[in-house]
Amino acid sequence: KQEVTQIPAALSVPEGENLVLNCSFTDSAIYNLQWFRQDPGKGLTSLLLIQSSQREQTSGRLNASLDKSSGRSTLYIAASQPGDSATYLCAVNDYKLSFGAGTTVTVRA
Amino acid sequence: GAVVSQHPSWVICKSGTSVKIECRSLDFQATTMFWYRQFPKQSLMLMATSNEGSKATYEQGVEKDKFLINHASLTLSTLTVTSAHPEDSSFYICSARWTTDNSPLHFGNGTRLTVT
Repeated sequence: KQEVTQIPAALSVPEGENLVLNCSFTDSAIYNLQWFRQDPGKGLTSLLLIQSSQREQTSGRLNASLDKSSGRSTLYIAASQPGDSATYLCAVNDYKLSFGAGTTVTVRA
Repeated sequence: GAVVSQHPSWVICKSGTSVKIECRSLDFQATTMFWYRQFPKQSLMLMATSNEGSKATYEQGVEKDKFLINHASLTLSTLTVTSAHPEDSSFYICSARWTTDNSPLHFGNGTRLTVT
């Protein structure tokens, strides 16, 4: 059974700092990995999708890397802003999507 | 981009009644839909996987007679919580996949169910 772990569970940084969110998974036989953002009481917003054949994906201030062989992905958010405050979820697709518990980010103004 | 519409966004019902939640893919045909449940401050837990025209596959520990899932068309799946109890109160989210297993999943905005 796929297990997904996200570290740290919570993160608080001053505005402008870069954020590093980590995700690890136990079974490397995956199709892809997605990073999502979830605001309190809301649904999910897809941020980045990395196919298993890719090493990284970038969108604006976001960059996600994938090392499938070691079962790791990292989401980098550059120059954080208060609007980046949310819970970030990593999800691994091995046909079904298995989620980590998330990293709750607070960016202080 | 691909849009998944989930309805209702919130519902309050009395214990013992049934509640139906709809999940629609608006601009693509969803061959596979997934239903998740999320408790406060916890991650999403997969409840079941449904493919159009066939019976849903439930995850271990999920009561299939309590959580009825129907995927009658390529654009609509429904989750019915039967004889709801307060412990069924949760946030339910559906997601839909287009065609291939490596396609991205698109999520609805979720349904907040409160059973009184």
